[in-house]
Amino acid sequence: EAQVTQNPRYLITVTGKKLTVTCSQNMNHEYMSWYRQDPGLGLRQIYYSMNVEVTDKGDVPEGYKVSRKEKRNFPLILESPSPNQTSLYFCASTTPGLAGAPGTGELFFGEGSRLTVL
Amino acid sequence: GENVEQHPSTLSVQEGDSAVIKCTYSDSASNYFPWYKQELGKGPQLIIDIRSNVGEKKDQRIAVTLNKTAKHFSLHITETQPEDSAVYFCAASIVMIGGTSYGKLTFGQGTILTVHP
Repeated sequence: EAQVTQNPRYLITVTGKKLTVTCSQNMNHEYMSWYRQDPGLGLRQIYYSMNVEVTDKGDVPEGYKVSRKEKRNFPLILESPSPNQTSLYFCASTTPGLAGAPGTGELFFGEGSRLTVL
Repeated sequence: GENVEQHPSTLSVQEGDSAVIKCTYSDSASNYFPWYKQELGKGPQLIIDIRSNVGEKKDQRIAVTLNKTAKHFSLHITETQPEDSAVYFCAASIVMIGGTSYGKLTFGQGTILTVHP
């Protein structure tokens, strides 16, 4: 089954304790991205990756790190979490358009990771 | 960068009524406008999209219209059913044609749609 898998789904942690949210996709997608969802603010992009070893900042990258060492995995790292990083996080993937043809544009999302930082 | 405004933030309708959600975007270069539906406890899922070379697209009870001049697009759901209750997000992007790059997708704030039986 084609899917994007995030772990953990729920996490309560304390300020300053490093944590990693893992994301894995089995669709051989080149593009992967992290979003955070907050009430009234919609989905805001944190980081994205066009391919292995290629990452770039989204709209709200402060306090986060990412890496893309393998095509299927795109972990989100919070080196020193703070309460303002309490949020619902989504990982997503897609395959960009091939040369000569438009991309479908469809992002496939994981089921989300609800993070609470006390 | 792109800015997408979505209205209303909440929408309540009776089963069988129509529902309309509207979005405006700021970047005239945006050419791809998807709509995502997020059910409770799940990730968003694409339900319909439209590209800037068409003005309207329909898929059963769902339709999307695009006005490039005014830079706004709308989602129309007819004959609503309780299972349509969800959060709906619009988004805008620039998708490169003829290349391998993928444009950054900017989402609206979301609309909570409730369909009462």
